[in-house]
Amino acid sequence: DQQVKQNSPSLSVQEGRISILNCDYTNSMFDYFLWYKKYPAEGPTFLISISSIKDKNEDGRFTVFLNKSAKHLSLHIVPSQPGDSAVYFCAASAASGGSNYKLTFGKGTLLTVNP
Amino acid sequence: KAGVTQTPRYLIKTRGQQVTLSCSPISGHRSVSWYQQTPGQGLQFLFEYFSETQRNKGNFPGRFSGRQFSNSRSEMNVSTLELGDSALYLCASRLTAGLAYNEQFFGPGTRLTVL
Repeated sequence: DQQVKQNSPSLSVQEGRISILNCDYTNSMFDYFLWYKKYPAEGPTFLISISSIKDKNEDGRFTVFLNKSAKHLSLHIVPSQPGDSAVYFCAASAASGGSNYKLTFGKGTLLTVNP
Repeated sequence: KAGVTQTPRYLIKTRGQQVTLSCSPISGHRSVSWYQQTPGQGLQFLFEYFSETQRNKGNFPGRFSGRQFSNSRSEMNVSTLELGDSALYLCASRLTAGLAYNEQFFGPGTRLTVL
């Protein structure tokens, strides 16, 4: 049972345009969400996170939106740059789980930004 | 501050053998988690250690085990290797366990190939 789903395995956008990466979750206990970026031969790098008490969090070119009623979150990158080309993972946790904390990841979306 | 380090970076083993992977967390981080990344399943949580105790465990067979030392360094062991164990094994550290702010920092991973 996949609790975090990234239904688009890949996405291709032009440099300067907006990239929108989507993520859906099924577990209503999840209350903290993160996005990670991964280049080949490197570990995932933390990008941005959002708590369930918010519906938007912004950090520079990156904005994450959370729609709790739809159990959906999205990552917007504006403007997209060729260096953003990587695999993006959505992850979720039930922070209130305390010592039972763990991150549940989606399978990732490969973003390609074309010059 | 040095990041999470993992050794070795690459490993080739044959079926039936066992393997031990090592992870050194960021200085001051006391929690270490292990993940398995495969093309079909994405990142899957193996286990988390904090203060030398396993705090949480994913859905992996008992062939997968780990431990943490007093200096927070961690090792993961896989016994009786199977072809399906070929994967990128990622280690991640965070400051402590049980906090709402769950940012994890990942190492570059160990690429295990089982022949």
